[in-house]
Amino acid sequence: DQQVKQNSPSLSVQEGRISILNCDYTNSMFDYFLWYKKYPAEGPTFLISISSIKDKNEDGRFTVFLNKSAKHLSLHIVPSQPGDSAVYFCAASAQGGSEKLVFGKGTKLTVNP
Amino acid sequence: NAGVMQNPRHLVRRRGQEARLRCSPMKGHSHVYWYRQLPEEGLKFMVYLQKENIIDESGMPKERFSAEFPKEGPSILRIQQVVRGDSAAYFCASSPVPNPETQYFGPGTRLLVL
Repeated sequence: DQQVKQNSPSLSVQEGRISILNCDYTNSMFDYFLWYKKYPAEGPTFLISISSIKDKNEDGRFTVFLNKSAKHLSLHIVPSQPGDSAVYFCAASAQGGSEKLVFGKGTKLTVNP
Repeated sequence: NAGVMQNPRHLVRRRGQEARLRCSPMKGHSHVYWYRQLPEEGLKFMVYLQKENIIDESGMPKERFSAEFPKEGPSILRIQQVVRGDSAAYFCASSPVPNPETQYFGPGTRLLVL
């Protein structure tokens, strides 16, 4: 049973436009959510997080939105740059992040120049 | 400060052999996490260790898999009698504290079982 779902395996956008990556979860105990970026042949890198007490967190070009009632979160990248091309993983945890992370399958983002 | 190091980067084993995967955490990091990524899947948590202790091994298969993080030296993930289904990328992450935001991932070991 997949508790964290990223239903779009891939996404392609033009440089300068907005990239929106989506993630859904089923476990209502999750209260801490993270996004990771992964380049080929490298390990994931932490990007941005949000706790369930917030509905938005922003860091530069990256913003994460959380809709608890819909059990949905999204990562917005504005403006998108070719260097953003990577696989993005959504992850969730319970108890404020002290529990183990549960990852989605990832979305491959391609930003075209 | 060197990042998390994993070796070997690629490992080929025949069915029934043993695989040993090593992870050297970042300096000052005493928390180590192992994850497995099967083809076309996300990362799945396997085990969390803190110097000489296994804190959470709820993601480890019950048989053939073991992990250790000795007082000196790297953390080792050991897979005995490998099967084709063990073929995957194995990532380790280290952290100075038990916080997912401070987990730094290594480049992974890609295990192929023939």
